[in-house]
Amino acid sequence: AQSVTQPDIHITVSEGASLELRCNYSYGATPYLFWYVQSPGQGLQLLLKYFSGDTLVQGIKGFEAEFKRSQSSFNLRKPSVHWSDAAEYFCAVGAPSGGGADGLTFGKGTHLIIQP
Amino acid sequence: GAVVSQHPSRVICKSGTSVKIECRSLDFQATTMFWYRQFPKQSLMLMATSNEGSKATYEQGVEKDKFLINHASLTLSTLTVTSAHPEDSSFYICSASTSGGGTQYFGPGTRLLVL
Repeated sequence: AQSVTQPDIHITVSEGASLELRCNYSYGATPYLFWYVQSPGQGLQLLLKYFSGDTLVQGIKGFEAEFKRSQSSFNLRKPSVHWSDAAEYFCAVGAPSGGGADGLTFGKGTHLIIQP
Repeated sequence: GAVVSQHPSRVICKSGTSVKIECRSLDFQATTMFWYRQFPKQSLMLMATSNEGSKATYEQGVEKDKFLINHASLTLSTLTVTSAHPEDSSFYICSASTSGGGTQYFGPGTRLLVL
């Protein structure tokens, strides 16, 4: 069965500092990979996704993620965080053969706190 | 583009009543819609997958008679929580995808509180 691990429950970063959120997955093949952000009481906004091709993926709001097959990882990065980045971040995987027809498996999320 | 709405955004009901939550894709046709449940400070758990015109597929442990899902058109899916109990209180989030699209677009969620 597929699973997603986000080892950091909370991360605190100073405003302007760089950020890396970790995500590891367990899957039989290379899945579709996603990062979503959730603000308090809100739904999920897609930051970026990886289906195939270039393993460094650019997303919205200055985020990027790198797929590393050998490590089964898809870590999210941002060179300089802003106070507005404080939120819950979820990594998710989906079946590559599903073509959008299969549900996603989510990690438990990482709560990002920004210090002034 | 790819906007998904949910209604209501929050609802409070008495134990034993039924509650209907609507999920709409506003600017695209969603061949597949998904319903997730999120407990406080926890991750999203897939409840069911629905395709337009077909019966929903429920995940293991989700009671299909309690959580009725209807996907009557390519832009609307509804989740009805029947005979709601306090333990059904949660944040319910829907998502929608297009055929072959691979990406799910999420609604803003509905917070249900059962008293």
